[in-house]
Amino acid sequence: GENVEQHPSTLSVQEGDSAVIKCTYSDSASNYFPWYKQELGKGPQLIIDIRSNVGEKKDQRIAVTLNKTAKHFSLHITETQPEDSAVYFCAARFGNEKLTFGTGTRLTIIP
Amino acid sequence: ETGVTQSPTHLIKTRGQQVTLRCSSQSGHNTVSWYQQALGQGPQFIFQYYREEENGRGNFPPRFSGLQFPNYSSELNVNALELDDSALYLCASSFYPSGSTGELFFGEGSRLTVL
Repeated sequence: GENVEQHPSTLSVQEGDSAVIKCTYSDSASNYFPWYKQELGKGPQLIIDIRSNVGEKKDQRIAVTLNKTAKHFSLHITETQPEDSAVYFCAARFGNEKLTFGTGTRLTIIP
Repeated sequence: ETGVTQSPTHLIKTRGQQVTLRCSSQSGHNTVSWYQQALGQGPQFIFQYYREEENGRGNFPPRFSGLQFPNYSSELNVNALELDDSALYLCASSFYPSGSTGELFFGEGSRLTVL
């Protein structure tokens, strides 16, 4: 089955700097890679996703890159703000099957 | 557009009891998935329902069961509760077949504590 590894587990970044979170997946058939943000006491919120036919996608301060050959994908947050502090999860899926999640990254933005 | 809603938000049970968690899917969605999220972990897939039938299951024992109703709402039932069942239970809805979308939208979860 699919396995997703996520690094780092914790990340502290000065406000205004960039943050990068990296994930690797094992199943080369996976074709959909979403990223979720989870705030304390809340459910995961989809913030950006990418499909296997695209190498990069950007939405304002958030971008995701995908390297299918290496089976890596990364989340990039630029100009970080205090409200970016949360736990971020990457995930991978083939077709309409289940999402397999990484173990999460606790991002702290230092004012 | 109505998002995914779950109830109850919190509940406490004792070992051996049974629990039912409920979920209303997002408007326009026809598929419901359930995930278990232990403290400090990523969500783990329990099962998915489409057209009122289970069409995918993760590594969970049969005491975890579910239902999907004609209005696409869903229930998760857990029998013979164990201490390790303490977790946040997340419901997610999506549209199948998804075509170019297929995003999964989560509710806020039901936090179950088993004593």
